[in-house]
Amino acid sequence: DTAVSQTPKYLVTQMGNDKSIKCEQNLGHDTMYWYKQDSKKFLKIMFSYNNKELIINETVPNRFSPKSPDKAHLNLHINSLELGDSAVYFCASSQSDRGRPGELFFGEGSRLTVL
Amino acid sequence: GENVEQHPSTLSVQEGDSAVIKCTYSDSASNYFPWYKQELGKRPQLIIDIRSNVGEKKDQRIAVTLNKTAKHFSLHITETQPEDSAVYFCAATGRGGGSYIPTFGRGTSLIVHP
Repeated sequence: DTAVSQTPKYLVTQMGNDKSIKCEQNLGHDTMYWYKQDSKKFLKIMFSYNNKELIINETVPNRFSPKSPDKAHLNLHINSLELGDSAVYFCASSQSDRGRPGELFFGEGSRLTVL
Repeated sequence: GENVEQHPSTLSVQEGDSAVIKCTYSDSASNYFPWYKQELGKRPQLIIDIRSNVGEKKDQRIAVTLNKTAKHFSLHITETQPEDSAVYFCAATGRGGGSYIPTFGRGTSLIVHP
């Protein structure tokens, strides 16, 4: 059973297009995140949702819009794609009140290539 | 917000040597410090963590130390093996908006030569 799953794993598209990446977790966690990993491997947080409420929205262009229909899903929609959006996008989840609070469980990543 | 510095960015060792990666953080309210290992083309995975009320933790060949006063923590890998080759990330986690928000260092690429 995959704990955190993202689709698609690979996405190649043209500049100016709109695309979405979906994320689902079956761990029963209350917090989900989107991280962007660039070519230099830096993991930069973009968004975080706790119980479907946005709690972090880092300096990210408003072309990026997250949507959390329920606690188990956090999708990322990107409008008007630019070359600089090419990266690997990781979804992650955690549980805030038990176990190791702040321990992230990552999805496999979605590699976005903008041509 | 939290700022995490990680050094070195690249570390090359011979098999059997020890490797040490160091991180500093800025927010004294951070209280949980995980380390993640990311193998090439794969997702980051937790390998060890430490809480702010503990100074040292060990798990087989890996250990982590924390100095809260100086706001720095380190990962120690002994008897390195080629399969330890990966990118290692430290993180400092503080509470924000009802949940815990990890801020990552920039990563250390560890290369273990056979």
